[in-house]
Amino acid sequence: EAGVAQSPRYKIIEKRQSVAFWCNPISGHATLYWYQQILGQGPKLLIQFQNNGVVDDSQLPKDRFSAERLKGVDSTLKIQPAKLEDSAVYLCASSLEGGRGYTFGSGTRLTVV
Amino acid sequence: AQSVTQLDSHVSVSEGTPVLLRCNYSSSYSPSLFWYVQHPNKGLQLLLKYTSAATLVKGINGFEAEFKKSETSFHLTKPSAHMSDAAEYFCVVSHNQAGTALIFGKGTTLSVSS
Repeated sequence: EAGVAQSPRYKIIEKRQSVAFWCNPISGHATLYWYQQILGQGPKLLIQFQNNGVVDDSQLPKDRFSAERLKGVDSTLKIQPAKLEDSAVYLCASSLEGGRGYTFGSGTRLTVV
Repeated sequence: AQSVTQLDSHVSVSEGTPVLLRCNYSSSYSPSLFWYVQHPNKGLQLLLKYTSAATLVKGINGFEAEFKKSETSFHLTKPSAHMSDAAEYFCVVSHNQAGTALIFGKGTTLSVSS
């Protein structure tokens, strides 16, 4: 079974630039999550989708972060403009309803200089 | 509100000796609790999960954890450490009653020496 696919693996940008990350969940997984993992910390949930609707985005910095999941399959997370403190690994995860089959992708490592 | 506290940021053991990684949780309802492992430059892997069935949960690679409601603890143990166990370990509580969105602790780095 294919896992959760994320791209790119690495990205380096200058502050105030914009960046987008892409995630393709496991086929059939209705729920998709984006987490932010800052170096030395545990991942923090940014947003949760159920199909193409947002379930929880309470921890998403909406002034600069946005995410969409058109057609309820793959998803993009965008940062505009980026700040130095956005340097982190951005993890995508997906699951069936009720959290069954919860699987994390390998992440995108963002460095903002 | 739900939260987890990992009591040790770094644990060092010798190969063949027991491992104990400590975790306390706070939850306003019966929680789902998890332990995840992250090896360097690798993805997060689920070790085990507690969801209100047996209080002693067995996971992969010989790890197990015991849910103690009276102590609000969910400590991870392994009888005998192996060099390959060296990694970052996260105690996790579910953010919602569906057990889907997760709240991670800050992590414990396990070092294993020969």
